[in-house]
Amino acid sequence: NAGVMQNPRHLVRRRGQEARLRCSPMKGHSHVYWYRQLPEEGLKFMVYLQKENIIDESGMPKERFSAEFPKEGPSILRIQQVVRGDSAAYFCASSPGTGDLYEQYFGPGTRLTVT
Amino acid sequence: AQSVTQLGSHVSVSEGALVLLRCNYSSSVPPYLFWYVQYPNQGLQLLLKYTTGATLVKGINGFEAEFKKSETSFHLTKPSAHMSDAAEYFCAVRRNQGGKLIFGQGTELSVKP
Repeated sequence: NAGVMQNPRHLVRRRGQEARLRCSPMKGHSHVYWYRQLPEEGLKFMVYLQKENIIDESGMPKERFSAEFPKEGPSILRIQQVVRGDSAAYFCASSPGTGDLYEQYFGPGTRLTVT
Repeated sequence: AQSVTQLGSHVSVSEGALVLLRCNYSSSVPPYLFWYVQYPNQGLQLLLKYTTGATLVKGINGFEAEFKKSETSFHLTKPSAHMSDAAEYFCAVRRNQGGKLIFGQGTELSVKP
């Protein structure tokens, strides 16, 4: 069973461009979480999605950021008009459920650099 | 609201010495607690977790942690450090429903030969 896949692993964008980060959950997992790790900081929750639904977006910036998890295909985190402050590592995690026994499995992350 | 505090952003130990990484949490409901390890330029790997039951939890690579409700702590220990333990360690808390993890700031562990 392959782990959580994220691509690209490294992404460089100029200010004002769009960034698209992809996350393929583990097989059989229908829950996806996105976290952001700013330099010298811990991980901060951004959004939690199930197939075709956003369950919790309490950590998402109100502007420029959006996320989706379509019925088919990977989850996408989209950042429009990137700014230097968006430079960070973005991690995706997946889980088969949210019950007591379920844990989140993390991908290797996408490191976004905005120049 | 839940929060996690990791005392010490950087801990340095000698190879073979005891490793102790501190984590305190605040939660209005009984929490689920986790320790993750992150090696440079990699994702997070689960070391161990506490959900219910036995308060002393054993994890991978010889690590263990004890849930102490009275102290609201979940400190991570390992009797004898190896060079390969050098990494960043994150403590996290999760409510029993809802799914999202709330992380501490992380503790970078260095192991000296």
